[in-house]
Order: sequence, then structure tokens, then C-alpha cells
Amino acid sequence: SAVISQKPSRDICQRGTSLTIQCQVDSQVTMMFWYRQQPGQSLTLIATANQGSEATYESGFVIDKFPISRPNLTFSTLTVSNMSPEDSSIYLCSARDIGNTIYFGEGSWLTVV
Amino acid sequence: KQEVTQIPAALSVPEGENLVLNCSFTDSAIYNLQWFRQDPGKGLTSLLLIQSSQREQTSGRLNASLDKSSGRSTLYIAASQPGDSATYLCAVRPGNDYKLSFGAGTTVTVRA
Repeated sequence: SAVISQKPSRDICQRGTSLTIQCQVDSQVTMMFWYRQQPGQSLTLIATANQGSEATYESGFVIDKFPISRPNLTFSTLTVSNMSPEDSSIYLCSARDIGNTIYFGEGSWLTVV
Repeated sequence: KQEVTQIPAALSVPEGENLVLNCSFTDSAIYNLQWFRQDPGKGLTSLLLIQSSQREQTSGRLNASLDKSSGRSTLYIAASQPGDSATYLCAVRPGNDYKLSFGAGTTVTVRA
């Protein structure tokens, strides 16, 4: 099984600033994903993080707002840029291993004030 | 576009009662369906995964059924305990893609 660690676990940010969330998996995985969970809602896929190339974004999400990196098989970052209160959410990193099992991190709780 | 609905949105039961959580999806061309548990302030923990060819999966007190033709899955939790209090999420993976579509979840409270 894989364990996913996310940093920071929680942060309060000023509007207009940017924050980078890190996701580290303790074993090799085939795919990594970033989800957003807004208050009281379910998870929405932001993008698939591709190793060594640009992420694949879902409808409604753009690279300028949510730049993503994945320099190797076990690490990815998501940046939330130019934050507004509407970006207050839980951001979750997810990974799929070679056996197609899906794992989730504990999430990063962002509050934008 | 796949729509996943979970009913009820919230459920409160006394300890010992059996729990029945429902999940419905609009597109029956799925690869698999997965049930997750989310505790407050935590990430998701996978409970059960049912492949499209399967009818049910069991793990301990948990049993999940799948009726692909009618677009429904049910999660049964037998003899509920206060430690079962959490939000339960249903997620569907389509047959031609790797992305999951999530329901909004059912928040369960088991009263001691």
C-alpha cells in the first residue's frame, strides 16, 4: 500500500497571495491527481499531474490559477495562485498504484481571508 | 457526464442498528465503483471496491452491492458503532477513463 503525505495540512492565507501544496507518496505510483473539496460539497477533480510534462486540467480549472508540477513518480505540487475567499477549500492529493488501488492524502485545508 | 447521487445526505442512528447507504449513477458504463470513508479533518480511506463484473464485496461488517443496469450501489454496515460515525462517499470510475466521479456523501452519526 501507499501512504500519501501532504504539506501544509492547514493554512490561513491572505487574499491575493499564492500557496504551494506538496504531495509525497512513499512508493511509486502510476498516476497522481489533485482534487478540491469545497465546504459541504464533494470532491471535484482539478487535474491529473503528469510526470515531466504539463498537467491535464479538467473543465473549469486552468494552469494559470492552479499550476502543477510532478518532477518524479512520487512527488507533486499544486499552487493556488492569487487566492480569493472562494478558494477556501480542502485540497486533496490522490494517487493510483500499479494495481489500480487509489489512495488519498489527508488533505490541505486552506482558508483565505 | 456521469452524475452520482447519494441519499440520504445525513443519517443518525442508535448504536447497534444496521446502516443502509445508497448511491446512484446515471451512466451504467462503469469500470468500477468504490466506497470511501472520510473522517472530519481527514482524507479519504477506501472501504470497498466493486468491479463492474461483480455484484457485491464484503469486508467485515461492511457489504457493498452493485446493480450496474439500474445504476445503483448500496453500502450496508451491520451492527453500527459510534466509531462508524463519518462521511461515506461513493465514487464511480467510467469504463473509458481513469477519473472518478464522486457523490456528495452521506454523513453518518451513530449515537451511543
